Order: sequence, then structure tokens, then C-alpha cells
Amino acid sequence: GNSVTQMEGPVTLSEEAFLTINCTYTATGYPSLFWYVQYPGEGLQLLLKATKADDKGSNKGFEATYRKETTSFHLEKGSVQVSDSAVYFCALTLNDYKLSFGAGTTVTVRA
Amino acid sequence: EPEVTQTPSHQVTQMGQEVILRCVPISNHLYFYWYRQILGQKVEFLVSFYNNEISEKSEIFDDQFSVERPDGSNFTLKIRSTKLEDSAMYFCARQINRGADGYTFGSGTRLTVV
Repeated sequence: GNSVTQMEGPVTLSEEAFLTINCTYTATGYPSLFWYVQYPGEGLQLLLKATKADDKGSNKGFEATYRKETTSFHLEKGSVQVSDSAVYFCALTLNDYKLSFGAGTTVTVRA
Repeated sequence: EPEVTQTPSHQVTQMGQEVILRCVPISNHLYFYWYRQILGQKVEFLVSFYNNEISEKSEIFDDQFSVERPDGSNFTLKIRSTKLEDSAMYFCARQINRGADGYTFGSGTRLTVV
């Protein structure tokens, strides 16, 4: 079946540090890949996406590249801020409606 | 982008009781979903709802679960007889079009079964 495995947290960083959250996937076919973010007290929000191999999704300083050869979609940000503290979810879909999520990674950025 | 509102934000219920989780997604959205996340585990798909019918459901969505749009606006998930293992965060979502970037999720209802 289709599944997503992401780096376990929690992750605690200082402001301006480099953030990487690893995500790998298993899918029967060619999925679209996503990163969602959940800020405290809010719903899941789409952070970025990539729909085919070698695509790079980017938003708010975050980036992730769809790597078919390693079945990965790692999330990176070069300089995190306190406001980036949230739970980050990697997800995929094969049919554009049902999402398969990872377990989420809690990131805390300290000033 | 209009939000999806879920109520309550947190509900505690005794095992065996019925619970109804509510979602207000706005009436012009066609596709609705429920997902859940047991603490420390993955967010799991439960059910999709299209044109007032269930279009797909997961193995988790057994006879204890049901969904409705009782008044054309609210979208509800009912658990008839709750079990301890139903304790989880339940997320409602709506989708304007077929495309995963058309999703809007609610902030979730944390259900605790005691």
C-alpha cells in the first residue's frame, strides 16, 4: 500500500538554525507529494507540494525536492524563526483526493 | 480562504457513549472528509463524502461510524458506541476541487474516551 515515513521528533532548534525533516514514501505509482503544517490551535495547512519527479516545492523559505530515485521529499529551511514552531506532516496522494500522511514532526524553535 | 470550523475542540466521553463531532465547511464545497490521528501515530483517512453520499471509506470506518450533512451546512461524524481506542484527534476537511491543494482542514476535535 501507500505510506509515508517521516523523521520522528520532537526537534528543538535555535533561531536561525538549519532545519531538515526527512520524509520517504512508498507508493504504487507516481504520487503527488506534500508538506502540511499545523500551527498551535489551527488546522492543517498546505505548506508546499510537488507533483512529479525533480519538482521543487517552496513556500515561506521552506523547500522540498521530489526525489524519485530515493523516494524522498525532505523538508528544509535555511534559517528558522520562532514562528516556524509547529507540527509538520509529509503526505502523498495518488488520486488527488485521498491523502496518506506521516506521523508528523513537532518542531520547536527557541529564541 | 474561508476556514473550516470544528466543534467541540475537545470532548471527553465515557466508553460506550455516542458522540457527534461537527464540522461547518460552507455549503458550496462538494467534497468532505474525516481523518483521525491517534496520539503519536499517522493521520489516517476515515471517509470521503460527495454529493451527500459516502464515496469511499477506510477499514477503520466500521458500523460504529456514520457521517451526515443533516442541514446542508454542517457535516457530522457520529460514533455510536465509543471505545477507548477511538481516542484521537479528528480532522474534518473540505475540498473545492479535485486536487490535493484544494483541501482545507479544520483545527480538529480531540476526543478522549475514558
